[in-house]
Amino acid sequence: GESVGLHLPTLSVQEGDNSIINCAYSNSASDYFIWYKQESGKGPQFIIDIRSNMDKRQGQRVTVLLNKTVKHLSLQIAATQPGDSAVYFCAENTRDKVIFGPGTSLSVIP
Amino acid sequence: KAGVTQTPRYLIKTRGQQVTLSCSPISGHRSVSWYQQTPGQGLQFLFEYFSETQRNKGNFPGRFSGRQFSNSRSEMNVSTLELGDSALYLCASSLSRATNTGELFFGEGSRLTVL
Repeated sequence: GESVGLHLPTLSVQEGDNSIINCAYSNSASDYFIWYKQESGKGPQFIIDIRSNMDKRQGQRVTVLLNKTVKHLSLQIAATQPGDSAVYFCAENTRDKVIFGPGTSLSVIP
Repeated sequence: KAGVTQTPRYLIKTRGQQVTLSCSPISGHRSVSWYQQTPGQGLQFLFEYFSETQRNKGNFPGRFSGRQFSNSRSEMNVSTLELGDSALYLCASSLSRATNTGELFFGEGSRLTVL
């Protein structure tokens, strides 16, 4: 979903289903992208990254897709588990700084 | 290897006061970045320090300042606190410049409440 800056987009999925979290980035010159997971009361933690010369990268149960044409990133989580419940942020590395997206709250229904 | 350590974890201040937050990066990391996290604005970049020099600064007023010491530890200071400064302040460290490297390693944050 799109963030309007006042509330966090929320995604609810059933345990065992696949989750897809989307992110639109702003700078066409960004060349490196990262997904972070933030659990309640903790700082963000690295999940997976992708460089702009790639369009797909897979990790353990996670896949990141990059579409540079429309400046869009997605994070796919396979077989979602209760421990995946968290806020997920995409981040883009521009020349000067790292910019974080607004985040998506993932809630896993047991 | 110890992670990023931020102190204090929680603090309460009143309007007009000032506050100093501390961040100890992972050993060997030379870059420290600071972020403000609020429900309404998400994660917003404050500044980055590398080798004791401020490399980049976000769009925050001059009341927000920071510094980095020779051992890479960093502090940020907010003067003349306003209610809107209530937030979780996150510090992240990385081996090299944040924009040139991969992963940022975050601390658990300092939760500031301004009354």
